[in-house]
Amino acid sequence: DAGITQSPRHKVTETGTPVTLRCHQTENHRYMYWYRQDPGHGLRLIHYSYGVKDTDKGEVSDGYSVSRSKTEDFLLTLESATSSQTSVYFCAISKKAGMNTEAFFGQGTRLTVV
Amino acid sequence: GIQVEQSPPDLILQEGANSTLRCNFSDSVNNLQWFHQNPWGQLINLFYIPSGTKQNGRLSATTVATERYSLLYISSSQTTDSGVYFCAGYYKLSFGAGTTVTVRA
Repeated sequence: DAGITQSPRHKVTETGTPVTLRCHQTENHRYMYWYRQDPGHGLRLIHYSYGVKDTDKGEVSDGYSVSRSKTEDFLLTLESATSSQTSVYFCAISKKAGMNTEAFFGQGTRLTVV
Repeated sequence: GIQVEQSPPDLILQEGANSTLRCNFSDSVNNLQWFHQNPWGQLINLFYIPSGTKQNGRLSATTVATERYSLLYISSSQTTDSGVYFCAGYYKLSFGAGTTVTVRA
């Protein structure tokens, strides 16, 4: 295992409530990513971080915010959950972005918004 | 934006058969990886292969970055090879939609 822990692993929440997912790494890698996986779409990037307090948007960032106050933790927040955000969320880490880097994934968080 | 296309979308194999999965990219690719998602949803790293050929047991992969494609070969398939295979590449790891492989005993 690449030392990545996602929590919670499963969550059911109601529409309109805030939800925070946590990704914790023990590898001291600089880059962290949040993806969502939906049938027929593969994995799509939500947000990523290239260092403490340095984050940027991915292709499906609407409705999501992130924070990274320390190297090991990357939080994904749904400010007001909607049914369209029902998905499986994966966190990934890599030593660096761009050339010559390999990414490793956490075990995923299954989120259901009812 | 970057497009990553995988083919075929679905593949059914008899145990012991060989197969080839393909990944095409819309631009010259770097940082290419292959993953296997098992039936429990876990993403397992198979290959980090920005160029050239690598082999790991019954699996091997080849990437020709300048021609914008990568191939994953499965030889002597086993039921444990079932699942979804993803390729991903580029700066922020753009993923293809995956190839669902079912190996029948």
